[in-house]
Amino acid sequence: EPEVTQTPSHQVTQMGQEVILRCVPISNHLYFYWYRQILGQKVEFLVSFYNNEISEKSEIFDDQFSVERPDGSNFTLKIRSTKLEDSAMYFCASSQIRSPRTAGELFFGEGSRLTVL
Amino acid sequence: GENVEQHPSTLSVQEGDSAVIKCTYSDSASNYFPWYKQELGKRPQLIIDIRSNVGEKKDQRIAVTLNKTAKHFSLHITETQPEDSAVYFCAASMGYSTLTFGKGTMLLVSP
Repeated sequence: EPEVTQTPSHQVTQMGQEVILRCVPISNHLYFYWYRQILGQKVEFLVSFYNNEISEKSEIFDDQFSVERPDGSNFTLKIRSTKLEDSAMYFCASSQIRSPRTAGELFFGEGSRLTVL
Repeated sequence: GENVEQHPSTLSVQEGDSAVIKCTYSDSASNYFPWYKQELGKRPQLIIDIRSNVGEKKDQRIAVTLNKTAKHFSLHITETQPEDSAVYFCAASMGYSTLTFGKGTMLLVSP
């Protein structure tokens, strides 16, 4: 069964450093997402991406964050200058179907745990 | 934007009992309501979903009901087993928009 894969599984970084989290969505999916989950809290939407551009973003996704699809398979999340409060599990997700009336099932990756010291 | 409330935050049951988790949503335009199960340290995985054109959906021991008028939906697990222990998240979405998750319910099933 195809899966969303993410790397690294865990990254520890110093405050102020740049971090890039990588994701390989399921190959025939068209919509890509980043969500984050602070320990013990709910999953929060960061950004969605379709047709090589951001389609929606949340208040959390400020100028420190950026996403990119550098090639036909990878989808990356960059945090330019990490803060302590960026420590969380970051989930990439992808979906195939989306229309004005039909949301599609999201398939999540295993997550990348970011620890900012 | 959409707001999803979920309760209870923790639910403890004995093996074999039923478990019910309830969610409410705020945006009447939402039309897709999935439930995700997240085991400790793992990714959220879809267990069942319902769209606004149906009121109930069942898959073996799991069922979801939707009341569009009241804007609430519920997850029902019958004959619970220890392996059902996990955090369950409800979510709501409408068409182009992304999922808004509830805060989660930690279900503990004791043998």
